[in-house]
Amino acid sequence: GNSVTQMEGPVTLSEEAFLTINCTYTATGYPSLFWYVQYPGEGLQLLLKATKADDKGSNKGFEATYRKETTSFHLEKGSVQVSDSAVYFCALSDRTGTASKLTFGTGTRLQVTL
Amino acid sequence: NAGVTQTPKFRILKIGQSMTLQCTQDMNHNYMYWYRQDPGMGLKLIYYSVGAGITDKGEVPNGYNVSRSTTEDFPLRLELAAPSQTSVYFCASSLAGQGRQPQHFGDGTRLSIL
Repeated sequence: GNSVTQMEGPVTLSEEAFLTINCTYTATGYPSLFWYVQYPGEGLQLLLKATKADDKGSNKGFEATYRKETTSFHLEKGSVQVSDSAVYFCALSDRTGTASKLTFGTGTRLQVTL
Repeated sequence: NAGVTQTPKFRILKIGQSMTLQCTQDMNHNYMYWYRQDPGMGLKLIYYSVGAGITDKGEVPNGYNVSRSTTEDFPLRLELAAPSQTSVYFCASSLAGQGRQPQHFGDGTRLSIL
């Protein structure tokens, strides 16, 4: 079956530091890949996505590249801010069948300090 | 823009009680989903629906029931609440699109079974 593995948190960084959150996946076929962010007390929000190999998703300074050869979709940001503190989820969407069912990683908590 | 609205936000139930978690979306999305999120874990799919009158089981459906009488509404029913159902429940919706379309999430319902 499909699975997503994320690096364990929490990740604690100083403001303006470089961020990498690793994500690897196992899936049949060619899934779409997503990063969602969850701020305290809120639901998940889409951060970025990539739907085919070598696509780069980007949003709000965050980037991730769909690497089929390494089955990875690592999240990066060049300079984090305190407002980026949240839980980040990597997910894949199985294109088989009729529904866009998501498989999530366990989430990585990011804490950014001044 | 309301998006996906879930009610209630919090609820405490006694073992054996029943309740319905409400979810409605105003984006005219065909696909809707229910997930549960346990501490330190990713989201697990409970049930999903690809349109009015059509529902199907996800990864963890035991102890739950759903119905989809309209495009907008997708309630989740717990018939005999058990402590193992203590969790945060998220409803989501998406357009059709073979896995390429992102899911839009509500803010969640925090449910405790005592």
